Formats: sequence, structure tokens, C-alpha cells
Amino acid sequence: DAGVTQSPTHLIKTRGQQVTLRCSPKSGHDTVSWYQQALGQGPQFIFQYYEEEERQRGNFPDRFSGHQFPNYSSELNVNALLLGDSALYLCASSWGPSMTTNEKLFFGSGTQLSVL
Amino acid sequence: GQQVMQIPQYQHVQEGEDFTTYCNSSTTLSNIQWYKQRPGGHPVFLIQLVKSGEVKKQKRLTFQFGEAKKNSSLHITATQTTDVGTYFCAGRDAGGTSYGKLTFGQGTILTVHP
Repeated sequence: DAGVTQSPTHLIKTRGQQVTLRCSPKSGHDTVSWYQQALGQGPQFIFQYYEEEERQRGNFPDRFSGHQFPNYSSELNVNALLLGDSALYLCASSWGPSMTTNEKLFFGSGTQLSVL
Repeated sequence: GQQVMQIPQYQHVQEGEDFTTYCNSSTTLSNIQWYKQRPGGHPVFLIQLVKSGEVKKQKRLTFQFGEAKKNSSLHITATQTTDVGTYFCAGRDAGGTSYGKLTFGQGTILTVHP
């Protein structure tokens, strides 16, 4: 039973470029959340996808966008990269059919993004 | 918006000593979760607390949820070198439609000296 898988593991980009990160949720999960973790900080919620729609969004600019596919996998896109976007991007999956889920999150190993 | 604060930021202990980290939310929580992240790794779920005043134990780890559902603590008895890592609390706000969002504290980094 595969856990949450993310690709790529590492990525180096320059300012102004665009990046796409990918995530496959744990088998049986239908909800994907994306988090940004800066060095020495806790993960910060970017957004969550359920049934191919963005269910909730954190305090991130519109440069951050996402998508969920029918097979529940997800992509995170970041446009016009800034130096401050350098961080570990974590994908977390859960099973969340209800509006008030108490499900625990299963995290992937993350994508380490460096913006030069 | 909701904020979750954790103290201390760092804790260095000798193997065998106890360790406690505290978590406080600016808003009332519907539940709180604890995660552990090993150096270079990703957060791994430890436990979830839902009820006011709830106490749960996992071997040497004891988790508490405050009566007002705004604070929580994690206590490790007789630390071992395998306990090394960063411990995060993460809470879901009880109000509004914050069903999807877990707000993480900044974490407590635990180092254990053998």
C-alpha cells in the first residue's frame, strides 16, 4: 500500500519562473492538502482539494494555484517565483467526505524548492 | 486569523530526562493533533485529541487537551535518543468553515544527549 508520493524531490528555479509540483495521495484517500514549510517553521496551509475542487484556501497569493484530478492526484502550481518561495512543499492526504473532518493527515516526503 | 503558538522553541535534554512542550491557540479548537518530524523527514501523525480535558497516553508519551480547548501539551517521560525530532501541534478552529485547515505551531525541536 503506497503512501503519499510527491515529485520531484528537489527543484531549483530562478526568480520569475513557474513550477509545478505533483502529489499522489495514499490509497483510499480522496482529499489532498498542500502545505509550505519554511526552514525552522511549522507547515503553513496553502489549500485543500476535495472532489476536484478547492475546498479551502490559506493566506497565500493567487500565484499559488492547484488542481485535483479524477484519480485524486493533485498539482500545485506557483507562478512568478520569488526568493521567499524557497521552502519544503508538503502534500498531505486524508479521507474527507464530510464538511467537518477530523481525519489525520498523511504527509508525503515533500518537494524541496530552491529559488535563486 | 487563528494562531497557534508553541513553547519552548528548543529543548536539550539528557537521555532519561523528561520533556514537555506546550501549545496555545488564539481561538477555540474543534480538535488538536500532534505530529513528529525527524530531521530531514516529513511530519508523522502521533495522536488526535477531541474532547475537553482529554488525556491520552502512548507508552512514554502523554497528551493533554485543555478544558477550554485552546491549549494542549505533550509530555515525554524518560527520553530516549529515538525521541529526537521536532514536535508540532496542529489545531482545527472550532468556528466557521475551517474544516480543511490545520494550523500548525512552529514546533519544539528536541535534542537528546546520550
